[in-house]
Amino acid sequence: DAKTTQPNSMESNEEEPVHLPCNHSTISGTDYIHWYRQLPSQGPEYVIHGLTSNVNNRMASLAIAEDRKSSTLILHRATLRDAAVYYCILRGGGGADGLTFGKGTHLIIQP
Amino acid sequence: DSGVTQTPKHLITATGQRVTLRCSPRSGDLSVYWYQQSLDQGLQFLIQYYNGEERAKGNILERFSAQQFPDLHSELNLSSLELGDSALYFCASSVVSGVDTQYFGPGTRLTVL
Repeated sequence: DAKTTQPNSMESNEEEPVHLPCNHSTISGTDYIHWYRQLPSQGPEYVIHGLTSNVNNRMASLAIAEDRKSSTLILHRATLRDAAVYYCILRGGGGADGLTFGKGTHLIIQP
Repeated sequence: DSGVTQTPKHLITATGQRVTLRCSPRSGDLSVYWYQQSLDQGLQFLIQYYNGEERAKGNILERFSAQQFPDLHSELNLSSLELGDSALYFCASSVVSGVDTQYFGPGTRLTVL
């Protein structure tokens, strides 16, 4: 799987938007961009994924650069419950392998 | 609640012993994945089963093995345990494979003394 680069940690205030960046300059044309997060003392949970176009769901939005070499996960209004480690993961369209987790971004939310 | 269940929640054992971790996937999911999370290695993919057959292998040690049964539940067997095997073990399931969303269980915390 191609490599992703994320900041080690980010801090934001409650009820403000959060933009979590991810660089993936070696992404291939068939790689999907997935985001998972891991809340304290829990298993990872799916957040969102996309291929080329921006995506929205009830949890977040995913903005994908036109050249697909970077993407941004957007939490529109952060709550304390959003404090977690966020992982940006590339997955090949035909891949049978498990997820390759990097170190992720530790998001801290201040009340 | 992801719908994936894992038992036991905690397991404490001694070096050299053998343990079995159990996972029940979400209803209808055919793929089961096992992951290990330790402080020094982070989250690592171990192995995937799809409809009873081994589908992919990650960083799984030879001392570890897994299987998926006809009812689709899976077991991860860890033998000749070492101190370094102490970790959180997560099971995940997905409908099929590929880019399907994976749903993770709450994990089993293994402590080897």
